[in-house]
Amino acid sequence: DTGVSQDPRHKITKRGQNVTFRCDPISEHNRLYWYRQTLGQGPEFLTYFQNEAQLEKSRLLSDRFSAERPKGSFSTLEIQRTEQGDSAMYLCASSLGVLFRETQYFGPGTRLLVL
Amino acid sequence: KNEVEQSPQNLTAQEGEFITINCSYSVGISALHWLQQHPGGGIVSLFMLSSGKKKHGRLIATINIQEKHSSLHITASHPRDSAVYICAVPPQGGSEKLVFGKGTKLTVNP
Repeated sequence: DTGVSQDPRHKITKRGQNVTFRCDPISEHNRLYWYRQTLGQGPEFLTYFQNEAQLEKSRLLSDRFSAERPKGSFSTLEIQRTEQGDSAMYLCASSLGVLFRETQYFGPGTRLLVL
Repeated sequence: KNEVEQSPQNLTAQEGEFITINCSYSVGISALHWLQQHPGGGIVSLFMLSSGKKKHGRLIATINIQEKHSSLHITASHPRDSAVYICAVPPQGGSEKLVFGKGTKLTVNP
């Protein structure tokens, strides 16, 4: 247990439905990252927050994806009108400071299956 | 964009063997991360290094900045070391995100 939690751990949904995932980082960590991982691939960056500010978004994050971290603590990732290609593991990570000087702590992930 | 290549993609070893996993990247970096991912999906950070060598238990990570290459070694491998090992580096341009390799799947048989 790294101290980062994600909910739910698994989600099965039908194409076209909306889904929302939650990440609770380690409490004193000001940076929070979302990644997506498909089978046989390494994680891909989606977005990151410093406190409540969303500072960078990947081109992978289409208009159907939105992420928030309203009070600089937990974060949510919402996917609207899900597509089968959204099926993946969604990983959250947090760190105390600057990426290159601090370790990232990963949550267990939310595995999404879109039917 | 920083490209990350890992080798081998898959590795099977017998318990007790010395393991080496390699990572090459294309653009100069400030630090490289080695991560371990178990079948359940959870990822654990093993090392972050910017030069030389780091050791933690039976794990050793080395990096050669000039050659843009890093290796992860496991001494006296054990079945519980079976996992996917991933290296990750920052992209060009000082972005905060990481660029990940595809991972090396290690299976250690008893």
